[in-house]
Amino acid sequence: AQKVTQAQTEISVVEKEDVTLDCVYETRDTTYYLFWYKQPPSGELVFLIRRNSFDEQNEISGRYSWNFQKSTSSFNFTITASQVVDSAVYFCALSEARRRGGADGLTFGKGTHLIIQP
Amino acid sequence: GAVVSQHPSRVICKSGTSVKIECRSLDFQATTMFWYRQFPKQSLMLMATSNEGSKATYEQGVEKDKFLINHASLTLSTLTVTSAHPEDSSFYICSARMETQYFGPGTRLLVL
Repeated sequence: AQKVTQAQTEISVVEKEDVTLDCVYETRDTTYYLFWYKQPPSGELVFLIRRNSFDEQNEISGRYSWNFQKSTSSFNFTITASQVVDSAVYFCALSEARRRGGADGLTFGKGTHLIIQP
Repeated sequence: GAVVSQHPSRVICKSGTSVKIECRSLDFQATTMFWYRQFPKQSLMLMATSNEGSKATYEQGVEKDKFLINHASLTLSTLTVTSAHPEDSSFYICSARMETQYFGPGTRLLVL
């Protein structure tokens, strides 16, 4: 069975600090997808990134960066120079590609509540 | 980007009534949609996979007779909570799959 662990329940930092959100996953499949979503207080899930299991290249998008390490089954997310607007709950998720051409429903971690203080 | 809508955004109903929630993919066709439930301060749990033109696939522990899913077209899936009870009060979110899963804004259901 697949599982996603986000050990950090809540993180609070002061604005402009860098912050890393941890994500560790478990799966028996060799082909799978990893995701990060942001959920602001409004509740809507905002897609941040999708990574397939064959692509271990790290990615940077503005202040956001992701570190995918298959050796440790981790997919960590770093926000550089954090801003108050980054405050939200962040979810890491996993999907196994059981069927050709796409992924299944997502298994979510419990989420990390990130608080950026001004 | 891909847009998914949900209606209604919020609903309050009496115990015993049925509530229908719609999920639409606005600018793409989705043969597969997913329904999730999120209790306050908890994670999202996959309830079922909705397949256009066929029966939905439910996750273990989810009652298919209570949560009726219909995926009648490539842009619309509906979730009907039948005979709702207070314990069904939750945040229901759908997603539609293109290359990745795009989520709707969610529906807050409160059963009195």
